[in-house]
Amino acid sequence: GIQVEQSPPDLILQEGANSTLRCNFSDSVNNLQWFHQNPWGQLINLFYIPSGTKQNGRLSATTVATERYSLLYISSSQTTDSGVYFCAVNGASGSARQLTFGSGTQLTVLP
Amino acid sequence: KAGVTQTPRYLIKTRGQQVTLSCSPISGHRSVSWYQQTPGQGLQFLFEYFSETQRNKGNFPGRFSGRQFSNSRSEMNVSTLELGDSALYLCASSLVYSLDIYEQYFGPGTRLTVT
Repeated sequence: GIQVEQSPPDLILQEGANSTLRCNFSDSVNNLQWFHQNPWGQLINLFYIPSGTKQNGRLSATTVATERYSLLYISSSQTTDSGVYFCAVNGASGSARQLTFGSGTQLTVLP
Repeated sequence: KAGVTQTPRYLIKTRGQQVTLSCSPISGHRSVSWYQQTPGQGLQFLFEYFSETQRNKGNFPGRFSGRQFSNSRSEMNVSTLELGDSALYLCASSLVYSLDIYEQYFGPGTRLTVT
């Protein structure tokens, strides 16, 4: 099946800093989503971005489908940005609505 | 529009018991997928239901089963619980753009502890 690798696994920032999280995937995808998991475990949708670039406030994402990677940018980070960020994909040959998740990036933003 | 709801939120069971978890998708969404999250294995796909039919199942034993009702609500059942079944169980409903193009929205999860 499709493989998803996220880097870095851990990231510690001071409040106000910028960061870039990376997601590499091993095959063509129909779907790519970025999530933020809050301390209570809920996955919050950030972006649906199988290709192209999107922005939402301080967050933006870019997926280069031909090179099989996606980037999540967080600017002017805040302590509330802390948590785990997941990239999840569904391969182009997939038949069910199942996402394959990366291992996540644990982000800690210090005040 | 209300989000995905899951009940119960927390559950403690003993080995050998069975458990049933419930998920109500976003209104109008007919596809429900279940995932298990553990510290060791991360997030893993369990199964997907669409129009009351299981479309696919992940690599889990037969003790894990599910069903979907005509109103798209779904339940998953785990029989003969093992300690390793302790996990966060997440349900997602899909906004389907076309057959293979969809966006998933997740519920708050049910945290199951098996003692």
